[in-house]
Amino acid sequence: DAGVTQSPTHLIKTRGQQVTLRCSPKSGHDTVSWYQQALGQGPQFIFQYYEEEERQRGNFPDRFSGHQFPNYSSELNVNALLLGDSALYLCASSFTQGGRGNYGYTFGSGTRLTVV
Amino acid sequence: AQTVTQSQPEMSVQEAETVTLSCTYDTSESDYYLFWYKQPPSRQMILVIRQEAYKQQNATENRFSVNFQKAAKSFSLKISDSQLGDAAMYFCAYAMNYGGSQGNLIFGKGTKLSVKP
Repeated sequence: DAGVTQSPTHLIKTRGQQVTLRCSPKSGHDTVSWYQQALGQGPQFIFQYYEEEERQRGNFPDRFSGHQFPNYSSELNVNALLLGDSALYLCASSFTQGGRGNYGYTFGSGTRLTVV
Repeated sequence: AQTVTQSQPEMSVQEAETVTLSCTYDTSESDYYLFWYKQPPSRQMILVIRQEAYKQQNATENRFSVNFQKAAKSFSLKISDSQLGDAAMYFCAYAMNYGGSQGNLIFGKGTKLSVKP
């Protein structure tokens, strides 16, 4: 049973560039959430996708956008990169249609983004 | 707004001993979930234990158990018989129940646990 897969594992970009991160959810999961984890901090919620639509969004600027595909995989796009966007980006999948008994998120190993 | 506070940036325990990690949270909601996640150097967040707020019984998972005090908004994690593999960052997290759907996770800043042989 495949877990959550993220790509790439590491990425170095220049300030002002754009980046796309990818996530494949755990088999059977239908919802994907993205989190940003700065060094030494807890993860911060960016947004969540369900049924190919953004369902919830955290306090992040419009430079952060996403997409969910029919196979439930997801992309996180960040435009006009800033030095402060350097962080570990975590993808988490869950099963919304599973109800209370299936509450919980499964995380990937993340993408380490460095902006120089 | 909901918040999660972990007041212990670092903790240390001797192998085979017991350690308790503290977590408090603030919410005005009554239907929510609390979690403890472990993050080793491999970076992947691993679910340790989950507690449903409407269940009074404390959750347990093998050597891991919680002390859930809903009125005090406290959610501590006890690790018994600590093992070297337990060394990691531990994050306490909260998620609200949105009418049948789980809300996003709100994390504390984490506690770094070291296990001494």
